[in-house]
Amino acid sequence: EAGVAQSPRYKIIEKRQSVAFWCNPISGHATLYWYQQILGQGPKLLIQFQNNGVVDDSQLPKDRFSAERLKGVDSTLKIQPAKLEDSAVYLCASSLGTSGGLKTQYFGPGTRLLVL
Amino acid sequence: AQRVTQPEKLLSVFKGAPVELKCNYSYSGSPELFWYVQYSRQRLQLLLRHISRESIKGFTADLNKGETSFHLKKPFAQEEDSAMYYCALGNFNKFYFGSGTKLNVKP
Repeated sequence: EAGVAQSPRYKIIEKRQSVAFWCNPISGHATLYWYQQILGQGPKLLIQFQNNGVVDDSQLPKDRFSAERLKGVDSTLKIQPAKLEDSAVYLCASSLGTSGGLKTQYFGPGTRLLVL
Repeated sequence: AQRVTQPEKLLSVFKGAPVELKCNYSYSGSPELFWYVQYSRQRLQLLLRHISRESIKGFTADLNKGETSFHLKKPFAQEEDSAMYYCALGNFNKFYFGSGTKLNVKP
């Protein structure tokens, strides 16, 4: 079974520029998550999709971050404009569902963003 | 409010020694608790869930609601256990991860 795919793996941009990350979840996984992991911290959930609907985006800085999952499969996360404090690893994860054993999340390799 | 606390950033033990990675949580209700592990150059992956009450790679974790803890234990550490360990709490549609403990098992 193919795992969660993410691209790009690394990105360096200057502050105030925009950037987009892409995630392709495991086939058949209805739930998709985007996390931000700042160096030395644990992952912080930014947004959770169930199919193509947003379940929770309470920790997404909506003034600069946006995410979509138009066809309920792959997803993009965008930052516009980027700030220095956005430097982090952005992790995508997917799960079969949101209850019981379906909640097990499978993570992608992450995208490491450096904002200069 | 911090939901999951892992007080140790680094834990070093010798091979064969017992290991306990601490995790405390704050949540009123019935949380779901998980341990995730990240080996060097690998992806974050699930180690175990409290609901399953299982032992994975010799690790166990018991949910103690009175102490609001979910410590991860292994009686005899192996070098291949060296990794970053994250405790996580699931609440409906939200997930909270702790800041992680790096376990270093010395030969």
